[in-house]
Amino acid sequence: GQQVMQIPQYQHVQEGEDFTTYCNSSTTLSNIQWYKQRPGGHPVFLIQLVKSGEVKKQKRLTFQFGEAKKNSSLHITATQTTDVGTYFCAGQNSGGSNYKLTFGKGTLLTVNP
Amino acid sequence: NAGVMQNPRHLVRRRGQEARLRCSPMKGHSHVYWYRQLPEEGLKFMVYLQKENIIDESGMPKERFSAEFPKEGPSILRIQQVVRGDSAAYFCASSPKIAAGTGELFFGEGSRLTVL
Repeated sequence: GQQVMQIPQYQHVQEGEDFTTYCNSSTTLSNIQWYKQRPGGHPVFLIQLVKSGEVKKQKRLTFQFGEAKKNSSLHITATQTTDVGTYFCAGQNSGGSNYKLTFGKGTLLTVNP
Repeated sequence: NAGVMQNPRHLVRRRGQEARLRCSPMKGHSHVYWYRQLPEEGLKFMVYLQKENIIDESGMPKERFSAEFPKEGPSILRIQQVVRGDSAAYFCASSPKIAAGTGELFFGEGSRLTVL
């Protein structure tokens, strides 16, 4: 079945440093979504990428979708303590059960003030 | 707050008991998904339901687990004869009919099950 791998599993940074998490799918995706989960909280949708090579920005966050639609990345510039949490990518297949999101294991980001 | 409502937020059960988790989707949403999250793990798809229909239960264990989404009332995830390995956070998510398959999921705050 489809697998979504995410690295790194953990990342600890000093406030102000940049952060990147990478996501790779074993199959071609129709789209990829990113979610953030604060400690003890629930996943909250951040963004969806649909087009090959797509790049989207939300303030300090930059999201990319690979040309082959099999990988994606999230980059945070100048991290803040409010960025703490686990960032998940989630892919939807390009065929078949296109409603099913397959989540990566997430990258836990901690920020030292 | 018209978000996805889950209850109970925390549930403690002894081995062999039953756990019932409830989920009321956002208003206007007719698609419900259940995901399970183990500590430091991602979310594992369990089941996808529409009103009165189970569309895909491929992520559900074949035994002891069942889910429903009746015409009236919340979706229910039922775990019979719980074992310690069932301890996890169970998240419900919903999506509007139009966005199913292409749009974001709205997650509830989760039900955290602890089996003693």
